[in-house]
Amino acid sequence: EDQVTQSPEALRLQEGESSSLNCSYTVSGLRGLFWYRQDPGKGPEFLFTLYSAGEEKEKERLKATLTKKESFLHITAPKPEDSATYLCAVRGGGADGLTFGKGTHLIIQP
Amino acid sequence: DTAVSQTPKYLVTQMGNDKSIKCEQNLGHDTMYWYKQDSKKFLKIMFSYNNKELIINETVPNRFSPKSPDKAHLNLHINSLELGDSAVYFCASSQGSGLANEQFFGPGTRLTVL
Repeated sequence: EDQVTQSPEALRLQEGESSSLNCSYTVSGLRGLFWYRQDPGKGPEFLFTLYSAGEEKEKERLKATLTKKESFLHITAPKPEDSATYLCAVRGGGADGLTFGKGTHLIIQP
Repeated sequence: DTAVSQTPKYLVTQMGNDKSIKCEQNLGHDTMYWYKQDSKKFLKIMFSYNNKELIINETVPNRFSPKSPDKAHLNLHINSLELGDSAVYFCASSQGSGLANEQFFGPGTRLTVL
């Protein structure tokens, strides 16, 4: 069974204070690792897909990296509008649905 | 130009009732999904439909039945609602079953069973 564990559960940073979120996974035949952002009362918003170890993707202040066991979402010089819950999900070889982690609730204080 | 839409946004009902949630996507995707997000904010896959065929059913009670009249719609019917069904239900869609199947989510339907 595919499993995704995210840490920390919650993270409070000052504006401009860079940090990283962790996503550890076990999956049979990784077909993709996904990062989503979810704001309160809204659906998850797609950020990145990573397919193989060593791959990196960037979008504004966010950078996602992937190894064979985990993924990191690096946030550089965050702003208050980056506050949200960040969800990691994997798609294994046996299913089309995604297996999500419980998310990291990120708060950026001005 | 909403990509994935759901109705209603909020649904409050009594235990034992039957209800439906509708989902529509205008992205031209061929696969649609239903997810349940419980009170602990944990998202879990319930169903997916590809070209009108159910391709996964993650041990969801048979009181839940997805119905897809066409590939742009996937509705969720729930019979004999129970207190534990209270959650936020998200519809999503993607193109294909290959590697590049980023899923796009709707805004969610908050179901409260009293």
